[in-house]
Amino acid sequence: GENVEQHPSTLSVQEGDSAVIKCTYSDSASNYFPWYKQELGKGPQLIIDIRSNVGEKKDQRIAVTLNKTAKHFSLHITETQPEDSAVYFCAASKYSGGGADGLTFGKGTHLIIQP
Amino acid sequence: EPEVTQTPSHQVTQMGQEVILRCVPISNHLYFYWYRQILGQKVEFLVSFYNNEISEKSEIFDDQFSVERPDGSNFTLKIRSTKLEDSAMYFCASNTWTDNEQFFGPGTRLTVL
Repeated sequence: GENVEQHPSTLSVQEGDSAVIKCTYSDSASNYFPWYKQELGKGPQLIIDIRSNVGEKKDQRIAVTLNKTAKHFSLHITETQPEDSAVYFCAASKYSGGGADGLTFGKGTHLIIQP
Repeated sequence: EPEVTQTPSHQVTQMGQEVILRCVPISNHLYFYWYRQILGQKVEFLVSFYNNEISEKSEIFDDQFSVERPDGSNFTLKIRSTKLEDSAMYFCASNTWTDNEQFFGPGTRLTVL
């Protein structure tokens, strides 16, 4: 089955700096890669996702890049703010255009924004 | 904004007892999921459900687990005989036919004593 590795487990950055979280996956058939943010006591919330036919996607301060050959994808957050402090999870699945595909998650990165 | 809801928020039970966790997915969603997250660990897929049957299940989802959509709105996870290692946060999620974005509920914290 799919295995997703995520690094680092903890990341501390100064407010205003950029943060990068990296993930690798094992199953070359995976084609959908979402990133979730989880705040304390809440469920994961999707912040951005990317499909395998795209190399990069941006949404304001957040971007995701995908390298299919190397089977890795990364989350980039620029101009970090205190409200970005949370646990971030990457995930992978096989998306078939509608379908109940379970997500395989990484272990999470605790992002700490230092004021 | 529509959201996935889950009840109860916290369930405490004795080992060996049956528990039922309840979820109300977003109303126009067709695919439903259960995940669990043991404290401090990653979120793990348990099962997916579509058209009143299981679509996919993980190795964790053994004979002790079952899912049901008893009516048009609820989606339930039953654990027949709870074990200490079932203690975790259980998340329900759902998505539409055309979009794989899974919306997660706030979770039910299950504590097995």
